[in-house]
Amino acid sequence: AQTVTQSQPEMSVQEAETVTLSCTYDTSESDYYLFWYKQPPSRQMILVIRQEAYKQQNATENRFSVNFQKAAKSFSLKISDSQLGDAAMYFCAYCHSGGSNYKLTFGKGTLLTVNP
Amino acid sequence: EPEVTQTPSHQVTQMGQEVILRCVPISNHLYFYWYRQILGQKVEFLVSFYNNEISEKSEIFDDQFSVERPDGSNFTLKIRSTKLEDSAMYFCASSYRPWGLNTEAFFGQGTRLTVV
Repeated sequence: AQTVTQSQPEMSVQEAETVTLSCTYDTSESDYYLFWYKQPPSRQMILVIRQEAYKQQNATENRFSVNFQKAAKSFSLKISDSQLGDAAMYFCAYCHSGGSNYKLTFGKGTLLTVNP
Repeated sequence: EPEVTQTPSHQVTQMGQEVILRCVPISNHLYFYWYRQILGQKVEFLVSFYNNEISEKSEIFDDQFSVERPDGSNFTLKIRSTKLEDSAMYFCASSYRPWGLNTEAFFGQGTRLTVV
C-alpha cells in the first residue's frame, strides 16, 4: 500500500522569505503522480502543483516549485517570496497512474504560518 | 470559475440518526469522490463513483455508507446510523477523468459533521 509522510506538522516563515515543506512517499509503482494541495481556513482544498513521476524536470507554478527526487521518494514544496495568503494547511498527495485508479493518498499535512 | 459546492457546511446529528451530505459537482465532470478528514488526522479516501456506480471504495466505506447521484446534478453521501467516530469533515470532489490519468480534481469546501 502506498503511504505519504509529512514529517513537519507545523512550519513558519517570515513574509517574503522562502520555506520548504517536506514530503516522502512509499510505493512500488514506477508511474505515478504527486500533488501538493493547499487548505486555507476557508477549508476548500486547492491544487497548488503536480508532478508526473516520469518527468525528470521539477514542476514550477509561479512562486511554487518542487524538488522531486524519485530514487529517494521525496517530493518537497518550495514557496518563494512567501505571502500572508500562503498561510494554510498543505497536503502532499500521491496517485498511481492508470485509468482505473480513482483515489489520492494524502499525508497528514503541514500547517504553514506566515509572519508579517 | 466552476466550483464544487457542498451543503450543509456544518451538520450536528444525534448518534444513530441517518444523515445525508450533499454535493453539486462541476457540471461536465464524470468522476465523483468522497473523502473525510477526522480532526487532526489525514484526509482519507472513502469512495469514488462513475457511470452511476461505485468504482472504488475504501475499507472505511462499510454498509453504513451509501452514495447516490439521484438527479444528474447532486451527488450524495448517506450515513445510515451515525456513530460518534463518524464526526469529521467530509469533502466531495469531482473530475473529468480519473485521478490516475493526471487530471485535475476539484474539491468542495467540506461539510463538518458532528455526531453527539
